[in-house]
Amino acid sequence: DAGVTQSPTHLIKTRGQQVTLRCSPISGHKSVSWYQQVLGQGPQFIFQYYEKEERGRGNFPDRFSARQFPNYSSELNVNALLLGDSALYLCASSFYIDTEAFFGQGTRLTVV
Amino acid sequence: QQQVKQSPQSLIVQKGGISIINCAYENTAFDYFPWYQQFPGKGPALLIAIRPDVSEKKEGRFTISFNKSAKQFSLHIMDSQPGDSATYFCAAKTGGFKTIFGAGTRLFVKA
Repeated sequence: DAGVTQSPTHLIKTRGQQVTLRCSPISGHKSVSWYQQVLGQGPQFIFQYYEKEERGRGNFPDRFSARQFPNYSSELNVNALLLGDSALYLCASSFYIDTEAFFGQGTRLTVV
Repeated sequence: QQQVKQSPQSLIVQKGGISIINCAYENTAFDYFPWYQQFPGKGPALLIAIRPDVSEKKEGRFTISFNKSAKQFSLHIMDSQPGDSATYFCAAKTGGFKTIFGAGTRLFVKA
């Protein structure tokens, strides 16, 4: 079985640009969560989606948005990129909202 | 209230030794405490997890000790190997809500 897949793996963007990150959950999993991991720190929760509805939101500005599609894949959008948005963005999927989450390899975003 | 405090920041252990990483939490609503292992360039991978009604859980060389009254839990890696060199994160979760991660411990096992 394929694990959580994220694309792209690496991305370089300029300040002020917009970026879209994609996540395909493990087959059968209905919940997707997004985390931001700044170098040298633990992952910080951004969003959780379950059955295409937002179920949780972390302490991130409105520049961050996400959605989940009918096939349970998900996109994370970040507008008006700042240098501080440079991080590893992790997607995690789980079968239900409260079952164990499995992480993808992440998308390394660099804002220059 | 939502934080999970992890120590030490970094740890060097001889091959065959015991690696010990400690975590503390404040929110008594947390009901699930996983530990993750992360290698460079990879996402975190679940190592072992415990619920607060259990004081200890062992899986192979990895053991979680949990002290509910002190609101502390720790990871012990027995017979540490160079392949265990990675960053370890403790975490805590309430039901279906977000997972709160510690800051991480970089473990280096010397051959």
